[in-house]
Amino acid sequence: GENVEQHPSTLSVQEGDSAVIKCTYSDSASNYFPWYKQELGKRPQLIIDIRSNVGEKKDQRIAVTLNKTAKHFSLHITETQPEDSAVYFCAAPQMDSSYKLIFGSGTRLLVRP
Amino acid sequence: SQTIHQWPATLVQPVGSPLSLECTVEGTSNPNLYWYRQAAGRGLQLLFYSVGIGQISSEVPQNLSASRPQDRQFILSSKKLLLSDSGFYLCAWSVQRTSGAYNEQFFGPGTRLTVL
Repeated sequence: GENVEQHPSTLSVQEGDSAVIKCTYSDSASNYFPWYKQELGKRPQLIIDIRSNVGEKKDQRIAVTLNKTAKHFSLHITETQPEDSAVYFCAAPQMDSSYKLIFGSGTRLLVRP
Repeated sequence: SQTIHQWPATLVQPVGSPLSLECTVEGTSNPNLYWYRQAAGRGLQLLFYSVGIGQISSEVPQNLSASRPQDRQFILSSKKLLLSDSGFYLCAWSVQRTSGAYNEQFFGPGTRLTVL
């Protein structure tokens, strides 16, 4: 089955700097890679996703890149703000009939004002 | 638009008591439904998922069970709670996958369960 590894587990940056979170996956057939943001005490919210037919996708200050050959994808946040502080999860689908998403272990991002 | 509801929002239960958490989805038909648990400060653990009425797949053998009595209703139950059942329980839904394409998964607001 699919296995997703996420790094780093914690990340502290100065406001205005960039943050990068990386994930690797094991199943080369995986074709969808979402990123979720979870603020303290709240539900995970889908913030951006990418499908395997593109290499990069941007939405304002966030972007996701995908390297299918290396089987890794990354979340990039530019011009970080204190409200970006949260736990971020990456995921990849289990490519069988189960319709499951396999989640990474999460990255706690702290943006220092 | 689609909406997902969970209740109750918070729950404090004694060890050995029963549990029933409910999740309903509005604005879509035949969704895939999921139950996750998140221990404090930890990641997302998939407990159950369902691709249709009465179809439940279990991910983790434990004292929890799930049922889907109606198309857009998903229930998580336990006959006797353990201390280790404490956590944040999240229901999620997605559109049925077609032609190999995966669809986005959306989470409900969650139920925070404390077992004492």
